[in-house]
Amino acid sequence: KAGVTQTPRYLIKTRGQQVTLSCSPISGHRSVSWYQQTPGQGLQFLFEYFSETQRNKGNFPGRFSGRQFSNSRSEMNVSTLELGDSALYLCASSPQTASYEQYFGPGTRLTVT
Amino acid sequence: DQQVKQNSPSLSVQEGRISILNCDYTNSMFDYFLWYKKYPAEGPTFLISISSIKDKNEDGRFTVFLNKSAKHLSLHIVPSQPGDSAVYFCAASGSQGGSEKLVFGKGTKLTVNP
Repeated sequence: KAGVTQTPRYLIKTRGQQVTLSCSPISGHRSVSWYQQTPGQGLQFLFEYFSETQRNKGNFPGRFSGRQFSNSRSEMNVSTLELGDSALYLCASSPQTASYEQYFGPGTRLTVT
Repeated sequence: DQQVKQNSPSLSVQEGRISILNCDYTNSMFDYFLWYKKYPAEGPTFLISISSIKDKNEDGRFTVFLNKSAKHLSLHIVPSQPGDSAVYFCAASGSQGGSEKLVFGKGTKLTVNP
């Protein structure tokens, strides 16, 4: 089975721009979660989608949004980028809800200049 | 307010010895705990988990211990190998305000020296 894939792997944007990251879960997995990883904060939960519905949301501003398509692929969007948004964005999929073992993709490294 | 805490940012051990990684949590609603391992430039990979109805779970060289009264869990790696060098994240799950999500600690970087 193919693992979780994320595109692009690396991205450089400037402040004020917006960005869209993509995640393809493991085949058959219906739950997709997004995390932000920074050196000082570890993995912070952004949101989870299950069957195209947002089930959970973390404590991030409204500039961070996402969606899930009928094939379970998910996109995450960040608008009006700030320097502090520079981070590794990880996507994880699981067969059921986010409380079960999750399988992570390699991440997208976003640098905001 | 950090609900899952890994107070040691780093740990260094000799090959063949035991590695003990610790994790504390504050939310008594957590009922499922997991450990993930992360190598540089890769996503975290699931290592081992434990339900709150157990106090120990073993998988090969990896054992997780749960002390509910102390709200503490630990991961033991015996014997430690250089390939175990990675960042280890503790995670917890359980009902929080009516929803469930996975909450991660900040990670502990383990270095196993040959």
